[in-house]
Amino acid sequence: DTGVSQDPRHKITKRGQNVTFRCDPISEHNRLYWYRQTLGQGPEFLTYFQNEAQLEKSRLLSDRFSAERPKGSFSTLEIQRTEQGDSAMYLCASSPSATSGVSTDTQYFGPGTRLTVL
Amino acid sequence: AQSVAQPEDQVNVAEGNPLTVKCTYSVSGNPYLFWYVQYPNRGLQFLLKYITGDNLVKGSYGFEAEFNKSQTSFHLKKPSALVSDSALYFCAVRDATKAAGNKLTFGGGTRVLVKP
Repeated sequence: DTGVSQDPRHKITKRGQNVTFRCDPISEHNRLYWYRQTLGQGPEFLTYFQNEAQLEKSRLLSDRFSAERPKGSFSTLEIQRTEQGDSAMYLCASSPSATSGVSTDTQYFGPGTRLTVL
Repeated sequence: AQSVAQPEDQVNVAEGNPLTVKCTYSVSGNPYLFWYVQYPNRGLQFLLKYITGDNLVKGSYGFEAEFNKSQTSFHLKKPSALVSDSALYFCAVRDATKAAGNKLTFGGGTRVLVKP
């Protein structure tokens, strides 16, 4: 399967702990996106990378959240000092555009990491 | 700012009947419009998109959608629904203006239930 992969698929943690999620995009996709989806809602944009550069961040991405894509391939999303309100599905997507500017390309989503904060 | 509205939380349809899932949008510039489907505990699967050109867009699994600029709508349709089409459907929009960035804004989703 050459789609977007995410690890782990499920994570249960206690409030106050740090968690880190990994996303591996489709090979050669240079754009990578993180979204958060809470129960019964549509996904909400968190942040976006073009290669290793983080170009856009949502106001939803508080100081406790940090995302990296150090070599322009896989990405990690870390949440520090987790809170119960962080419980959600964290979705990663990638798209193949090789040029700058607004992309018309489709974003392909991974299966998500479901986070439960107790 | 960009936004999407899916006015129906749930749509019920009998197998073999036509299926329509409604979506309206708001953007400052021209819209790029997308439909995704989500099955339980799965990520989003791309169905189709409108970028430019023909207002009627055909996608995967027999789905199509019609872009209507005057009504700012992008309704998803399937002529004959299958039980396996039962899932959660999301409409999404991206503003074509470069300054608006590349993020997708999603609607709240519509649950489709196809009964045998």
